Amino acid sequence: AQSVTQLDSQVPVFEEAPVELRCNYSSSVSVYLFWYVQYPNQGLQLLLKYLSGSTLVKGINGFEAEFNKSQTSFHLRKPSVHISDTAEYFCAVRNQAGTALIFGKGTTLSVSS
Amino acid sequence: DGGITQSPKYLFRKEGQNVTLSCEQNLNHDAMYWYRQDPGQGLRLIYYSQIVNDFQKGDIAEGYSVSREKKESFPLTVTSAQKNPTAFYLCASSSVANTEAFFGQGTRLTVV
Repeated sequence: AQSVTQLDSQVPVFEEAPVELRCNYSSSVSVYLFWYVQYPNQGLQLLLKYLSGSTLVKGINGFEAEFNKSQTSFHLRKPSVHISDTAEYFCAVRNQAGTALIFGKGTTLSVSS
Repeated sequence: DGGITQSPKYLFRKEGQNVTLSCEQNLNHDAMYWYRQDPGQGLRLIYYSQIVNDFQKGDIAEGYSVSREKKESFPLTVTSAQKNPTAFYLCASSSVANTEAFFGQGTRLTVV
């Protein structure tokens, strides 16, 4: 079965610093990967997705992620964070049957001034 | 605007009562999903449906039931058999052709 591991449950960072949120997935023949963001008491919003092609994927709000097949990783990065980036971030992979998304346990990003 | 509407946003129920959470979408998506979110647990799949009148159990279906009588609607019933129903419930949908899921704003259920 597919699985997703988010390696850090909490990441504190100062405003304007770079950040990386780490995600590893269990290997499969084909992989569809996603990053979502959740603000308090709200639903999830798609940041970016990898389906195929270029391994560097650019998303909304200045975020990007790199698909690394040999490392089975899909880490999320932003070169300079803002206070407004404070939220919970979820990495997800589509399951092998293609019927649903499997989520990691989330990483709480806290940006302070 | 197209989207997914979950209602109500907050719901309180007494222990032992069944409760139904509403989820409606106007995105013309074929597939719909229910996830449960608990602090530190991420999102866990309860049920999903890829077509009207058909649905499948997810990882934590015990104590829950669903129906899919219309393409746009996928209500979730939390029954008295669910041992720990207090949680944040998220409904999502996707088209068969696309791969990402679009989420509603969630319903926070508190059982007292």
